[in-house]
Amino acid sequence: DTEVTQTPKHLVMGMTNKKSLKCEQHMGHRAMYWYKQKAKKPPELMFVYSYEKLSINESVPSRFSPECPNSSLLNLHLHALQPEDSALYLCASSQAVRAYEQYFGPGTRLTVT
Amino acid sequence: ELKVEQNPLFLSMQEGKNYTIYCNYSTTSDRLYWYRQDPGKSLESLFVLLSNGAVKQEGRLMASLDTKARLSTLHITAAVHDLSATYFCAVDHHSGGSNYKLTFGKGTLLTVNP
Repeated sequence: DTEVTQTPKHLVMGMTNKKSLKCEQHMGHRAMYWYKQKAKKPPELMFVYSYEKLSINESVPSRFSPECPNSSLLNLHLHALQPEDSALYLCASSQAVRAYEQYFGPGTRLTVT
Repeated sequence: ELKVEQNPLFLSMQEGKNYTIYCNYSTTSDRLYWYRQDPGKSLESLFVLLSNGAVKQEGRLMASLDTKARLSTLHITAAVHDLSATYFCAVDHHSGGSNYKLTFGKGTLLTVNP
């Protein structure tokens, strides 16, 4: 099973809302990632978790708050977002952070109104 | 900072023709990945290239890696419409301490016409 699942598939939220994105994998991977992808652009790395610890934060604004409750789950908590944060949010996982293939989830299409 | 340059960014091909997409990168790395993305969809892994001289083939696609030239190629043979998609190369590289990350090229939008 090489599946990474993400919920919800679509999310529309106002700028004052608080919402969360969820990502799950059951491949025993120990590295998990959040990427943001704008239309017609490549994915941009936001966060990396390695063995449930945050190892990379690519200077992401604090209105995005990641959480890794256990090795299978990764959340992204959203608060006070801006319309420019509207994008496809992709979760990925890999066996470890170094030189292992990343498997991507289907993504959450986020629209901030 | 690592730069990953893909070219061309847009490629319109006729069915049955051959073409190559190039991926150049600016720092030492011996790990490179190719992904495919269909409109509105996620990324699908195509090839994992883990050493100099690596060559992998799947159907009408063949990828290679030359770490000395810092160049990877994705060759398309006898293109068919189903290959229409955006193709990304991504380079795995050291980003400080014990951290590594992928940096993606801008992507090549491939359109295969009948």
